[in-house]
Parts: sequence; structure tokens; C-alpha cells
Amino acid sequence: DIQMTQSPLSLSASVGDRVTITCRTSQSIAKYLNWYQQKPGKAPTLLIYAASTLQSGVPSRFSGSGSGTDFTLTISNLQPDDFATYFCQQCFTTLYTFGQGTKLEMK
Amino acid sequence: QLQLQESGPGLVTPSGTLSLTCTVSGASLGSNYWSWIRQSPGGGLEWIGFLQSSGSSNYNPSLKGRATLSVDTSKNEFSLNLTSVTAADTAIYFCAAIVGSGNYNWFGPWGQGTLVTVSS
Repeated sequence: DIQMTQSPLSLSASVGDRVTITCRTSQSIAKYLNWYQQKPGKAPTLLIYAASTLQSGVPSRFSGSGSGTDFTLTISNLQPDDFATYFCQQCFTTLYTFGQGTKLEMK
Repeated sequence: QLQLQESGPGLVTPSGTLSLTCTVSGASLGSNYWSWIRQSPGGGLEWIGFLQSSGSSNYNPSLKGRATLSVDTSKNEFSLNLTSVTAADTAIYFCAAIVGSGNYNWFGPWGQGTLVTVSS
């Protein structure tokens, strides 16, 4: 199966900051990479699919990039609502796998 | 609007079988794909398996054949059975639709999740 490695696993930032989360895969997955946001006690929700396509309704301060094995999720101008945990997930194979998650906390 | 809701026992004894049901509203099970995902107490997400109402299915090999998904189109529900459970199966269990665009797919929407604890 495809291993997913996220970094960092935790991140402290302030409102207005720009943050970047990285996801690396154990083999090339082209652009078959999704990003989710999860808040405490809730299910994950999709932010970005196909590595860089913003899901409908997601604020434009979220952006994704990358292809092959290296991907990034960038949040510009952090808002209070953005402090959450973020997961990457590959859909290159139907043995779906997730990254470990990155917890974004307020500094 | 598509909505999913998990139901089932919150406590299962070791070596027993975990059985959960996901009720789908806002759409028929039809030809879509449906999945179960779990989240460990440490926060990691693990895909369990998916199935289509036609019978096509796939499972995470890490579960060593213990998981079985089934569908009841008359009730618009799909279910998960996980046998020979241990404490390591304690988790929040989510059901989710697999949706997509072109060649790309993703999980969404998800149910709210249900906590299952394996303990005597």
C-alpha cells in the first residue's frame, strides 16, 4: 500500500499567518491527492481534490499544489475557524490511505 | 441533500463481532460507492473498505479478512461486520459516500461517526 507522510504533525500559528503543510507519498500518485479538514468531534470535510482543485464552498485562502510524491496545502491569512487538524489522502489506488494528520493550533 | 448516519452498539466484547449500520438519506444507494473509515483514539484515519450496491467491493488487507460490508437497498442502508475484535479495534467509525469528478474521487459526505469500544 501507499504510505503517506505528513509534516509537521503539529503547528502553532497566529491569525493572519500563512502556513504550509506537506504530504509525501511512498510512490508517485500523479495528482490523486485529497486534503481534508477535521474539527474536534466532527467528521473530516473535503477541502481540495486532485491535489489543487478547491472544493465548492471552500474559501480561496486554501490552496494545494504538487504532483508525483510531494504535495503541499497552504492556508493564507489564517482565520480563527481554520484551527483544526488536516489530513491528506491518496486515491491513486483503491487501497485508500491517509496521512497521520497535522494539528494546527493557535499560538 | 445526501446525509449518512451510523448506528450500532457502542460496546463490543473482545473476540466478538462489531456490527454497524449506515442509513443513507437524500439519495438511493443506487450505483454509488459507499465506504467505512475508522479513527483511532490517537487520531489516525484508516480506510476499512467500500462496496457498491451491485456487489463490487474492496477491503483493507490490514484487517486480514475480518471485515465484511453489505448493502440493503430496500432500507437504503449499508453495514459493516468486523469479526474477532480486540482492543485495537476501539475507534470512531465513520460511514461515507465515495464521490468524484472525472478520474478523481474522494470521501464525502461523511456520517457524524460512532464510537465503538472493545472491552469486557
